[in-house]
Amino acid sequence: RKEVEQDPGPFNVPEGATVAFNCTYSNSASQSFFWYRQDCRKEPKLLMSVYSSGNEDGRFTAQLNRASQYISLLIRDSKLSDSATYLCVVNPYNQGGKLIFGQGTELSVKP
Amino acid sequence: EAQVTQNPRYLITVTGKKLTVTCSQNMNHEYMSWYRQDPGLGLRQIYYSMNVEVTDKGDVPEGYKVSRKEKRNFPLILESPSPNQTSLYFCASSLQGGTGELFFGEGSRLTVL
Repeated sequence: RKEVEQDPGPFNVPEGATVAFNCTYSNSASQSFFWYRQDCRKEPKLLMSVYSSGNEDGRFTAQLNRASQYISLLIRDSKLSDSATYLCVVNPYNQGGKLIFGQGTELSVKP
Repeated sequence: EAQVTQNPRYLITVTGKKLTVTCSQNMNHEYMSWYRQDPGLGLRQIYYSMNVEVTDKGDVPEGYKVSRKEKRNFPLILESPSPNQTSLYFCASSLQGGTGELFFGEGSRLTVL
């Protein structure tokens, strides 16, 4: 089993749709979680950190489910500009510098 | 402007010819890291450095070397490149090690023939 797993997609959705991605992780001791966005082989950029209590930033909501060991990203009212690959990132030890990336979920928002 | 700069951005080389990909950041970050990205495999960590003179292996360190003599620079060295090292490479830095926001360079596309 991979340490961090994502459904690679692609998710094809119409503008205005709500779409959700999940990311599962295998190390139950993991403490730090992030969502990054990557456009067409460009450098990844932080979208949001994922906190235990969940967090929201505009149309984006991130949740953490420790019992089932997954994090989720919800995008409401999808825009064409949301088309990208979304990378789940986990720090499995909460200390040190080791980071595990999921392979990414591709989202394509259509007019 | 705060940034992570990688060079070269594109390189085609031949098997066995030593090469270095440079990485420099101007944000005074202590943490720096190298990743490679391959289709279907996502980003995989090669090496990381928590501070000057401190480096550690990531998940795929074989065939690579790094050094961290100064805080701002973290070069990636391929002593004897092989075709399986053909990949897109990213350098990143962070203020807070593995728990903070990573700032990535624009990437270096390397082809080894």
